[in-house]
Amino acid sequence: GAGVSQSPSNKVTEKGKDVELRCDPISGHTALYWYRQSLGQGLEFLIYFQGNSAPDKSGLPSDRFSAERTGGSVSTLTIQRTQQEDSAVYLCASSTTWVSYEQYFGPGTRLTVT
Amino acid sequence: AQRVTQPEKLLSVFKGAPVELKCNYSYSGSPELFWYVQYSRQRLQLLLRHISRESIKGFTADLNKGETSFHLKKPFAQEEDSAMYYCALSGQGGSEKLVFGKGTKLTVNP
Repeated sequence: GAGVSQSPSNKVTEKGKDVELRCDPISGHTALYWYRQSLGQGLEFLIYFQGNSAPDKSGLPSDRFSAERTGGSVSTLTIQRTQQEDSAVYLCASSTTWVSYEQYFGPGTRLTVT
Repeated sequence: AQRVTQPEKLLSVFKGAPVELKCNYSYSGSPELFWYVQYSRQRLQLLLRHISRESIKGFTADLNKGETSFHLKKPFAQEEDSAMYYCALSGQGGSEKLVFGKGTKLTVNP
């Protein structure tokens, strides 16, 4: 079946602009995660959605970052007033509720802020 | 606090040599430990979990609670093992979010 998809695959934006990154999880997966992958920093957790529970936003680096998940499926990560240090690969993953350790990752969105 | 430490950012070995990727963790309780792998131009994927005690692609990892370690080992490295490896932990039962280490880039030279 279809895996996790993310769009766009690449995004180049100017400093100060807002960007939206999209994630389509595997159908039926109730848990959805956003990570940031950058050189030297590894995989940084950003935010976690689990079913109808309030999201775990503990990893968001600043209030410029926000995410929502509509209808328990598609998720959008929004970065406002982008900064150069926001440049990274943003990964989305999804999992079933009862096997949450096995996360299925998308291909990522490479964000470059110029 | 939950923490996963992978002390080596880069690791280079020759084909046929043994390889060990180190992982240490900090967790108050009984965590579940995992290794994820990302091959070049591929997605990050689960390699193995400590509970299953299985060998995947010749790799094994033993959870040492005394040393709070979960090192990944393979007796004879292959060129196709070259990849980025991430160690991760979750709370007991795997019902909590994963905490990842910063990763180790393994290069297996011919």
